Amino acid sequence: QSALTQPASVSGSPGQSITISCTGTSSDVGRYDYVSWYQQHPGKAPRLMIYGVTNRPSGVSNRFSGSKSGSTASLTISGLQAEDEADYYCSSYTSSSTWVFGGGTKLTVL
Amino acid sequence: QVQLVQSGAEVKKPGASVKVSCKASGYTFTDYAIHWVRQAPGQRLEWMGWINAGNGVTKYSQKFQDRVTITRDTSASAAYMELGILRSEDTAVYYCAREHSGYYQPEIWGQGTMVTVSS
Repeated sequence: QSALTQPASVSGSPGQSITISCTGTSSDVGRYDYVSWYQQHPGKAPRLMIYGVTNRPSGVSNRFSGSKSGSTASLTISGLQAEDEADYYCSSYTSSSTWVFGGGTKLTVL
Repeated sequence: QVQLVQSGAEVKKPGASVKVSCKASGYTFTDYAIHWVRQAPGQRLEWMGWINAGNGVTKYSQKFQDRVTITRDTSASAAYMELGILRSEDTAVYYCAREHSGYYQPEIWGQGTMVTVSS
């Protein structure tokens, strides 16, 4: 199972919005709504930010939103803040009954 | 509150095996599956497998199928991941994570266990 494709890096200024894409195939992202997004700060465990494509867990800011079109999912962060600087990973369920992560995207807040 | 606490760091020689534990608290252990995910230094997250804590059924990534065994002990509310025939490329932080209710993806994560493979 190949990793989902994410851009290596994105950047934005405080207050701006950014979008991170996550491209899979018809066997994972394109087939299931079990897409999630994780935030990971250096040396820390990942934190679930979005599950089921669009849902936010309790405690996650509404500045974070998710969407999907075909085999590409997206994470949008609006009103960028310095604390949003981190690595972001997407994940999806697959037709092999396994899970796959993306390659990760480093978000820099300028 | 829901918490997963993992065992401490390990140093192993190539060819050896390692067993990492993940003790759960704050919920009914058998109601949720446990995922295992690893992350080599500077690398991406990599899904290894998961176990249904209720019935013990497992599913592994094809990459690790031949070397990994995930088990659980319901009396201890703990899950275990054993990886064999270790090589230097297995040096990584290993995480356990409880699934999300209804959506099954990793939700609550343990603190991670660093496994170093070195001769």
